[in-house]
Amino acid sequence: DARVTQTPRHKVTEMGQEVTMRCQPILGHNTVFWYRQTMMQGLELLAYFRNRAPLDDSGMPKDRFSAEMPDATLATLKIQPSEPRDSAVYFCASGLDPQVNYGYTFGSGTRLTVV
Amino acid sequence: GQNIDQPTEMTATEGAIVQINCTYQTSGFNGLFWYQQHAGEAPTFLSYNVLDGLEEKGRFSSFLSRSKGYSYLLLKELQMKDSASYLCAVGEAGNMLTFGGGTRLMVKP
Repeated sequence: DARVTQTPRHKVTEMGQEVTMRCQPILGHNTVFWYRQTMMQGLELLAYFRNRAPLDDSGMPKDRFSAEMPDATLATLKIQPSEPRDSAVYFCASGLDPQVNYGYTFGSGTRLTVV
Repeated sequence: GQNIDQPTEMTATEGAIVQINCTYQTSGFNGLFWYQQHAGEAPTFLSYNVLDGLEEKGRFSSFLSRSKGYSYLLLKELQMKDSASYLCAVGEAGNMLTFGGGTRLMVKP
């Protein structure tokens, strides 16, 4: 059963520390999304890639967030320095465009708490 | 950009039918998606509509009217396990997905 793998599942860190979240998309998928979910804002798109190229990161605070795909099997989202308002669940999702009728598959998420 | 509206909460009875509406205003449209999300879990894909009309998948159906900027998700023969949040999402150019705030459905015995 193909799945999107995210690590770590949970992360508690102190304000000011660097946080790196990792995502392994489903093998063969060419599109990867990073979303952040909070009770107040719901699911917000942070960045997305197609064929490893960044297509849109306008939803991401550029001064502290960065997203990369060093290879087709790994996407990373980094926060430096982290702040308490970054506390949220961060989801990665992957899919195969243009076969979008099959939807995008989400990973289990990384629950980040910044204290 | 996108503006996507759906009710915040709904309650229904086990065995009944419930319809969850979604309206959207868009500058680009590449299809409408519905996802289900149980508390503490990841969203899971339910349906995709790109043409007007009804798509049926077992107990779940999804409808789209592009001219009205309107979609609904219809759940039949409700079961307790259907208690979850249901997320409407619109695909923009490049198939970038923008999500609505979600509708939390509570199914009561």
